[in-house]
Amino acid sequence: DAMVIQNPRYQVTQFGKPVTLSCSQTLNHNVMYWYQQKSSQAPKLLFHYYDKDFNNEADTPDNFQSRRPNTSFCFLDIRSPGLGDAAMYLCATSRDRRRAYEQYFGPGTRLTVT
Amino acid sequence: AQSVTQLGSHVSVSEGALVLLRCNYSSSVPPYLFWYVQYPNQGLQLLLKYTSAATLVKGINGFEAEFKKSETSFHLTKPSAHMSDAAEYFCAVSENNQGGKLIFGQGTELSVKP
Repeated sequence: DAMVIQNPRYQVTQFGKPVTLSCSQTLNHNVMYWYQQKSSQAPKLLFHYYDKDFNNEADTPDNFQSRRPNTSFCFLDIRSPGLGDAAMYLCATSRDRRRAYEQYFGPGTRLTVT
Repeated sequence: AQSVTQLGSHVSVSEGALVLLRCNYSSSVPPYLFWYVQYPNQGLQLLLKYTSAATLVKGINGFEAEFKKSETSFHLTKPSAHMSDAAEYFCAVSENNQGGKLIFGQGTELSVKP
């Protein structure tokens, strides 16, 4: 089945230690999104890639960066995680970024910062 | 700017009872609206979407939603709740000219009592 895969599902990192979260997709979608979801809150968009074009949200901290080496893979890098970065990180894809197209979400990676 | 308001952060129903989850939107252009469901420690799954076709939209798992422009609402209903419906439900509007960005409501947690 075509799908969005996130690895690992659970990640524990130390305060200030860089961490990378991975997302891959078999849907061949042009757009890949990264969301941060804190406990009992709605997902908050961090940034997205439209093909190779990176689009950052205005309020995304510089501590968060992303890479998309090819169509299938996208990575979220947190350069110096703080305790406030503990959250569920959701990757999503969409065929196109026109608003009629729905987004397909992966299962998420739960990040714990110790 | 577009926005979404979900009335009631927690809704509890008995198994077999009607489920009604409320969503109101604010948009200066015809909206594209979505309902997503999130089970614990999982990603979001699309239930249904409205993209200016039929105002009554049928989705998966027996859910449906009706778009009412006069009330700026897109409430989610299911005639008979099942225990497996217990989850978090998010209503979202797709931003116009913003790369397909989803603006989520704050979510409604549905509990189903036996």
